[in-house]
Amino acid sequence: EPEVTQTPSHQVTQMGQEVILRCVPISNHLYFYWYRQILGQKVEFLVSFYNNEISEKSEIFDDQFSVERPDGSNFTLKIRSTKLEDSAMYFCASRDRGYNEQFFGPGTRLTVL
Amino acid sequence: SQKIEQNSEALNIQEGKTATLTCNYTNYSPAYLQWYRQDPGRGPVFLLLIRENEKEKRKERLKVTFDTTLKQSLFHITASQPADSATYLCALDQTGTASKLTFGTGTRLQVTL
Repeated sequence: EPEVTQTPSHQVTQMGQEVILRCVPISNHLYFYWYRQILGQKVEFLVSFYNNEISEKSEIFDDQFSVERPDGSNFTLKIRSTKLEDSAMYFCASRDRGYNEQFFGPGTRLTVL
Repeated sequence: SQKIEQNSEALNIQEGKTATLTCNYTNYSPAYLQWYRQDPGRGPVFLLLIRENEKEKRKERLKVTFDTTLKQSLFHITASQPADSATYLCALDQTGTASKLTFGTGTRLQVTL
């Protein structure tokens, strides 16, 4: 069964460093998303992406964040200068045209020291 | 302010009983409401979707109701099993375009023998 994959599973970085989180959505899906979940808190929407542009973004998704679909399979989230409060689990999701359910990846745990 | 509340942080029930989880929302008008399951350290997994003009949806042992007047959805698991133990999340899709999902805090269900 097709699934969303994410790498790495765990990323540790120093405050102020740039990180890139990678996702491979399900191959025929056209809509892509990033969410985050701080430990013990709810899943929060960051950004949605369709047709090579951002469809919607939340207040969390400020100038330090960017997304890219560099080729036909990868979807990346870049955090330019990480802060302690960026420590969280980051989930990528994708969905197919005509369907509303989203398929989530296993997540990348980001730890900022 | 907008809020999505799910009943009690944890729900403990005996195997074979019906688990009923509640999702209440304020200051939202969702076109769709979705339920996801999340296991520890994993991404959410889609279970069921119900539209604003639907009262009830079923899938195997799962049943969802949606009352837009009460602003409430109920999620039932009949004949519960220990394998149903997980956190269950309700998520609102306001636009019906699934451009983003807004999640509740979740209810942790523990099914014991």
